Amino acid sequence: DAGVIQSPRHEVTEMGQEVTLRCKPISGHDYLFWYRQTMMRGLELLIYFNNNVPIDDSGMPEDRFSAKMPNASFSTLKIQPSEPRDSAVYFCASSSTLAGGSNEQFFGPGTRLTVL
Amino acid sequence: QKEVEQNSGPLSVPEGAIASLNCTYSDRGSQSFFWYRQYSGKSPELIMFIYSNGDKEDGRFTAQLNKASQYVSLLIRDSQPSDSATYLCAVNPSGGSYIPTFGRGTSLIVHP
Repeated sequence: DAGVIQSPRHEVTEMGQEVTLRCKPISGHDYLFWYRQTMMRGLELLIYFNNNVPIDDSGMPEDRFSAKMPNASFSTLKIQPSEPRDSAVYFCASSSTLAGGSNEQFFGPGTRLTVL
Repeated sequence: QKEVEQNSGPLSVPEGAIASLNCTYSDRGSQSFFWYRQYSGKSPELIMFIYSNGDKEDGRFTAQLNKASQYVSLLIRDSQPSDSATYLCAVNPSGGSYIPTFGRGTSLIVHP
């Protein structure tokens, strides 16, 4: 398996523009997570899905952020409009089971977002 | 708010020494504990997990768990420069949720 795939790997945009980050989880994994990582705040969970259904989006910072998972092999995280404080590395991760605590998360390579 | 605390470091150790990384957590009912390694510019990857009190060894890595004191540690024996990375502690909370809370990580530098 190719692992979790994210695109783009780098994104530079101007304040006010819409940004869409994409993720393809590992085939067969039924949980998908979106994280944001910054030096100041560390790794923050934004939202997670189970079987394509959003379960907890309490980490989404504002209404400017939205996430979808239309099918088991694809998810998007959208920021509209983007702001300079959104600059961070965004990771997508997937896992295959949460039962019994065996919930190793497999992370994608991340998208480094810079909002000017 | 369930918290996971780590010293941000950097922790600097000479090659061949034992590196000791520590993590404390606030949720007394936590059951599962994970150590992820993150190289600079890369994504986190799982290196160890532990559920039971005591030690768990895997090669040069040993995870130690003390639930009474609410801490988990990672020992790296015979540290190598290639071990230089940020180590993230993650803790599954109590209450049936298996969504881990991550600490902010400890930066480890192993110098030749």
